[in-house]
Amino acid sequence: GAGVSQSPRYKVAKRGQDVALRCDPISGHVSLFWYQQALGQGPEFLTYFQNEAQLDKSGLPSDRFFAERPEGSVSTLKIQRTQQEDSAVYLCASSLVTVQETQYFGPGTRLLVL
Amino acid sequence: EDQVTQSPEALRLQEGESSSLNCSYTVSGLRGLFWYRQDPGKGPEFLFTLYSAGEEKEKERLKATLTKKESFLHITAPKPEDSATYLCAVTGANNLFFGTGTRLTVIP
Repeated sequence: GAGVSQSPRYKVAKRGQDVALRCDPISGHVSLFWYQQALGQGPEFLTYFQNEAQLDKSGLPSDRFFAERPEGSVSTLKIQRTQQEDSAVYLCASSLVTVQETQYFGPGTRLLVL
Repeated sequence: EDQVTQSPEALRLQEGESSSLNCSYTVSGLRGLFWYRQDPGKGPEFLFTLYSAGEEKEKERLKATLTKKESFLHITAPKPEDSATYLCAVTGANNLFFGTGTRLTVIP
């Protein structure tokens, strides 16, 4: 595709609801990353996939956060039992092969938990 | 631990008034330093990658430079459309490690 796409762009959830955020990376990109961005801050790393393998999930803030990329392309970030502190922009990025290469970002999903 | 510090936090310039943004970093072996531009409500947009001290890259009114401890983003004769947040990041083990950004406003 032309770029990284994410859906939905905006999501409002009641505290305790489960949410699923989708990322479509650039076609052919091996590496996929999820970041969380709080207002006025830089993006913070959540997790990293190489193809379908989740190689690093050290940034996931709790076991309520779960990510998958079952066929090595589209990825889903799932947040269970959402809390107010989960409110943030969730960014997805992809790179051609390695972490050292340029990461291209999607527009993000803005999550608001009420 | 990897650390990236950007300064200033915010910068207001008159149109045409050149300036520089700073990114200081502490990493155990730099494998890449990235500059991104982020507009409100959008994802970061890639600008430059620098890999070694002394390297410089240019694009239109922007020029990025790299030393062993910091990087500068020089903006020459900025225009209002250059207003955005500029993010600096270094390559960690499996991710980019970002600073908090410099919010640039260029006044006509």
